[in-house]
Amino acid sequence: GQQVMQIPQYQHVQEGEDFTTYCNSSTTLSNIQWYKQRPGGHPVFLIQLVKSGEVKKQKRLTFQFGEAKKNSSLHITATQTTDVGTYFCAGPKDSNYQLIWGAGTKLIIKP
Amino acid sequence: DAGVIQSPRHEVTEMGQEVTLRCKPISGHDYLFWYRQTMMRGLELLIYFNNNVPIDDSGMPEDRFSAKMPNASFSTLKIQPSEPRDSAVYFCASSRTEIYDEQFFGPGTRLTVL
Repeated sequence: GQQVMQIPQYQHVQEGEDFTTYCNSSTTLSNIQWYKQRPGGHPVFLIQLVKSGEVKKQKRLTFQFGEAKKNSSLHITATQTTDVGTYFCAGPKDSNYQLIWGAGTKLIIKP
Repeated sequence: DAGVIQSPRHEVTEMGQEVTLRCKPISGHDYLFWYRQTMMRGLELLIYFNNNVPIDDSGMPEDRFSAKMPNASFSTLKIQPSEPRDSAVYFCASSRTEIYDEQFFGPGTRLTVL
């Protein structure tokens, strides 16, 4: 069945280092969404990418949608403690109106 | 707007008891989703509604789970009887009219079944 794979599962970084999470779909996506979930919190929408090759920035966060619309990435420059949490990608299911979610990448700041 | 409201925030119950989780979506949102999140299985969609009508319940784990949406401002997820493996965080989310619009999540209900 349709799958959205996300790697890595965890990433430990020193504060100030960069962070990247990758999302790969088994099928072409019409769009992809990114969400952030803080520890103990709920997923919060960050952005939606629609166009092939699209790149969007939100301050230190850069989101990319691949040319084939089957992969996406989120890159955070110079991580801060406020970036801690789990980042999820989600793409629409082919057959009906629902999202297929990646497993998430947990960003952990080393003490 | 108050956002998506869920109650209770925490529920501890004993195996075999009935559990009812409640959700009030954002006013004007046509879609409502129920998710379950666990460490082992991640975020799973259980069921979703469009204009109060259940569209896809293929994610509901078994007959012990049922969901209703009697009107546009209220939905329930019921587990009867509950089992320890049902312990998880249950999220309700809603989204607007446009297809594939962003989803707004509630704070979740943390369910523990002893």
